[in-house]
Amino acid sequence: GDSVVQTEGQVLPSEGDSLIVNCSYETTQYPSLFWYVQYPGEGPQLHLKAMKANDKGRNKGFEAMYRKETTSFHLEKDSVQESDSAVYFCALTSGTYKYIFGTGTRLKVLA
Amino acid sequence: DAMVIQNPRYQVTQFGKPVTLSCSQTLNHNVMYWYQQKSSQAPKLLFHYYDKDFNNEADTPDNFQSRRPNTSFCFLDIRSPGLGDAAMYLCATSSEAGVLDTQYFGPGTRLTVL
Repeated sequence: GDSVVQTEGQVLPSEGDSLIVNCSYETTQYPSLFWYVQYPGEGPQLHLKAMKANDKGRNKGFEAMYRKETTSFHLEKDSVQESDSAVYFCALTSGTYKYIFGTGTRLKVLA
Repeated sequence: DAMVIQNPRYQVTQFGKPVTLSCSQTLNHNVMYWYQQKSSQAPKLLFHYYDKDFNNEADTPDNFQSRRPNTSFCFLDIRSPGLGDAAMYLCATSSEAGVLDTQYFGPGTRLTVL
């Protein structure tokens, strides 16, 4: 079945550092790919998405490139801010109305 | 302009006492989902509706039931909550028209079981 694997646990960059959170996926279909962000006590909300290969999702300085050849959708930012601190989930859907989530990566940006 | 609304935001129940969580949506989406999310984990799909067509996940306990009386509303019933059912319950929607598009989540209901 479909699966998503992302950077596990917690990432602790300092403010102004660059960031990469890895996401790799497996599916036999042609998925859409998403990064969701979840703040404490709230539901996940869409952060960025890419609907087809070579699309790049962008939001608030974050980017992720849909790379079919490496089945990856890594989340990147040049300079993180304390306000970026949250839990980030990589997810895919391949047309079955199901969304497959990674385990989540907690980003805590140090001031 | 809330799109997926969940009530209540916090629910406390007693061990074994039935509880119902509510979700409504203003997006007119065909598909509605219920997820369970425990601390520091990904959301776990319990079931989803495509219109009135109910789709249960194989590992969802029988203790969890759902109703969707119309397009806008969906309910999660927990018949006999156990301590292990304490979690955040998330409702979400997606559109048939955008079958590969975004899933929208509500703010969640935090369930405490005493």
